[in-house]
Amino acid sequence: SQQGEEDPQALSIQEGENATMNCSYKTSINNLQWYRQNSGRGLVHLILIRSNEREKHSGRLRVTLDTSKKSSSLLITASRAADTASYFCATDAGGSARQLTFGSGTQLTVLP
Amino acid sequence: EPEVTQTPSHQVTQMGQEVILRCVPISNHLYFYWYRQILGQKVEFLVSFYNNEISEKSEIFDDQFSVERPDGSNFTLKIRSTKLEDSAMYFCASTRRSLEGYTFGSGTRLTVV
Repeated sequence: SQQGEEDPQALSIQEGENATMNCSYKTSINNLQWYRQNSGRGLVHLILIRSNEREKHSGRLRVTLDTSKKSSSLLITASRAADTASYFCATDAGGSARQLTFGSGTQLTVLP
Repeated sequence: EPEVTQTPSHQVTQMGQEVILRCVPISNHLYFYWYRQILGQKVEFLVSFYNNEISEKSEIFDDQFSVERPDGSNFTLKIRSTKLEDSAMYFCASTRRSLEGYTFGSGTRLTVV
């Protein structure tokens, strides 16, 4: 089974609009993290939400987590052209499983 | 802001050759990781390392792979006999504590020909 699947696979919006990306996962988690990757570059940690949290904010980012539905969403408000990148959710099961399981990502394009 | 540094940024090697990918994690971090991303595919976990030993490894991390932290600063990934399918972007990451966001390096693009 696939863990951490994002939708949509690709999203194109105008500058100033909000972008919402969703992530679903299948197993229990300790936390869920969102990362950003510019083309051919490394992954940049954006935000971490723990399994006992429902919502978290950081600047223009808002993340929600629904553990009953095993889903999370990332909202970027007032998007900018510089937000163009791939966005990945990654689940951390905690315990002895010291690894992140990444989804396939959403390619966000913000048009100026 | 502290960074995880990886070298080289790009390595081309012939099939069957050994490669060593190098990483300098953030100095006060205690947990170290290698991930890889084959072109167009998901980022995949390879191995985690804590207290000078491997704490978890994936099925990908077979006997051809090894990791070392030889001097308290560098963290290396060795592939003994590279295969074509080892071609990927390899990312090193570190965290200060478990269960927190990772700091990733910019990656080494390994091309096996």
